[in-house]
Amino acid sequence: KAGVTQTPRYLIKTRGQQVTLSCSPISGHRSVSWYQQTPGQGLQFLFEYFSETQRNKGNFPGRFSGRQFSNSRSEMNVSTLELGDSALYLCASRPWGDNEQFFGPGTRLTVL
Amino acid sequence: EDQVTQSPEALRLQEGESSSLNCSYTVSGLRGLFWYRQDPGKGPEFLFTLYSAGEEKEKERLKATLTKKESFLHITAPKPEDSATYLCAVNGYQKVTFGIGTKLQVIP
Repeated sequence: KAGVTQTPRYLIKTRGQQVTLSCSPISGHRSVSWYQQTPGQGLQFLFEYFSETQRNKGNFPGRFSGRQFSNSRSEMNVSTLELGDSALYLCASRPWGDNEQFFGPGTRLTVL
Repeated sequence: EDQVTQSPEALRLQEGESSSLNCSYTVSGLRGLFWYRQDPGKGPEFLFTLYSAGEEKEKERLKATLTKKESFLHITAPKPEDSATYLCAVNGYQKVTFGIGTKLQVIP
């Protein structure tokens, strides 16, 4: 079974721009979660989607948004980028009802 | 609010020198405690899930245990390839909360 895939793997943007990251979950997994990982804060939960609906949301500003499509693929958008948004963005998928999440390789976002 | 604290932050071991990593947690309604391994530049790799106090799981040189307030990841006779950051996380009522991790270096 193919694992979780994320595109692109690396991105460089400038302050004020917006960015869209993509995640394809493991086949059959209908829940997708997004995390931000920085050296000082570790993994911080952004949001979780299931059946195209946001089920849970972390403590991030409204500049961070996401969506999920009918094939369970998910996108995350960050608008008006700030320097502090530089991080590794990780996507994880799981079958709904299971607790174990499986992570993709992440997208490394650098904001200049 | 759910909290996870891992210690030590970094650990340096000689090859073959066994040790333990600690994960202390507070959570409302534990629905699972997870251990992950993360290599530099990669996503976390799932290792174990523990659900109740007293539970233990093993995989090769790793053994994870759980009490009502802590989990330990025991590493027996580690090898250089065990070098990585080990993350602990708890599944609470609405979300998964991660610790900062323990960076393990095993020296040949």
